[in-house]
Amino acid sequence: DAGITQSPRYKITETGRQVTLMCHQTWSHSYMFWYRQDLGHGLRLIYYSAAADITDKGEVPDGYVVSRSKTENFPLTLESATRSQTSVYFCASSEGQRYYNEQFFGPGTRLTVL
Amino acid sequence: KNQVEQSPQSLIILEGKNCTLQCNYTVSPFSNLRWYKQDTGRGPVSLTIMTFSENTKSNGRYTATLDADTKQSSLHITASQLSDSASYICVVRSGGSYIPTFGRGTSLIVHP
Repeated sequence: DAGITQSPRYKITETGRQVTLMCHQTWSHSYMFWYRQDLGHGLRLIYYSAAADITDKGEVPDGYVVSRSKTENFPLTLESATRSQTSVYFCASSEGQRYYNEQFFGPGTRLTVL
Repeated sequence: KNQVEQSPQSLIILEGKNCTLQCNYTVSPFSNLRWYKQDTGRGPVSLTIMTFSENTKSNGRYTATLDADTKQSSLHITASQLSDSASYICVVRSGGSYIPTFGRGTSLIVHP
């Protein structure tokens, strides 16, 4: 199906483990984003990418690593998960960064770190 | 620091009633403001976008207003339906920035 997908949808892991969240979009959008959503906070940007092999930090990048070898994929890795990284993670994509370019969000991944 | 404040934090209304959600922002320089609807367990979906020159924009039963002078926006929902139960998020972009500022959202519950 066309659109933006995330996997897994739910993940439980333990402190110190490495976890990778996957994001795939079929629109060939240039820009992709990773956000986390926590109670009491708005969505906060972790990393974003303007194109393949181009990534940049957002507001809360510590503890996360991203890569973008292909336009359609933008995986997010937690190298050593901590309890504070328990959250719902959303991936988004947009065609460009003009004011009218909408960000389209995936369904989210709920991550629990024990 | 750029900030977006939304009120109320939560709202409960009866089906068929109208309601208005508020968004105040301090983002500068202002580029645009979007209202998103986020259903439980899903990602946000854009309802409408407002630019500096726009005062009012409608999308079905949703009407957004913008007062760029006072840096306020509102989202008015007419004749609410059960499917309107969701979180409504105000997002403001500043000029030249890739990073939008998100409000915490207003949780709306529509009861039959």
